[in-house]
Amino acid sequence: QSVLRQPPSVSGAPGQRVTISCTGSSSNIGTGYDVNWYQQFPGTAPKLLIYDNNNRPSGVPDRFSGSKSGTSASLAITGLQAEDEADYYCQSYDMNLNWVFGGGTKLTVL
Amino acid sequence: QISLKESGPTLLKPTETLTLTCTLSGFSLSTNEVGLGWIRQPPGKALEWLGLIYWDDEKRYRPSLKRRLTITKDTSKNQVVLTMTNMDPVDTGTFYCARYFVPFKKFDFWGQGTLVTVSS
Repeated sequence: QSVLRQPPSVSGAPGQRVTISCTGSSSNIGTGYDVNWYQQFPGTAPKLLIYDNNNRPSGVPDRFSGSKSGTSASLAITGLQAEDEADYYCQSYDMNLNWVFGGGTKLTVL
Repeated sequence: QISLKESGPTLLKPTETLTLTCTLSGFSLSTNEVGLGWIRQPPGKALEWLGLIYWDDEKRYRPSLKRRLTITKDTSKNQVVLTMTNMDPVDTGTFYCARYFVPFKKFDFWGQGTLVTVSS
């Protein structure tokens, strides 16, 4: 079981908005540690998508955004496109476990 | 241009020791505020952080695997080595190395990964 909990799957139609939640606890996100998000396509390495809760690396479309509140964080994707179909992972730091990842969420574009 | 590449054995027998090398390009681990992390991913499962070494040689390990893991760096070769002892079939997975940028606490550049299978 991952320390950061994510829904196993989410889906949406092209053009829609979807959100992926990442629920932590008082020993990680709730303490104030920042959250990063990674996108991973099958058979490839993860790619940094959002860092420091809500910042996008150069080249990441502004359709992707992140937020954090309390012990949770969320990734939002607006204007969903077929090419967004991938696995998404949140990541933070935990006082007891060091760096931790979420269990991952598979996004399906209907 | 920053890139990383993992190399090492693809098949191990149970109880053997895994040694993986991450070769860095475009940056150095002698640079302040940079680290190198190792992350693994069992087939079809989630990412799992294993360990990290900082530019100043400080090291951090996953608590549950601490006794089996060792990370070292050779800045002259621009390489970082992960050693994992007593490998078991449950350790099968893709191993990634990733640059860790301390100011933003992010794994910003990743290697392509290398699949390691443990089987008798």
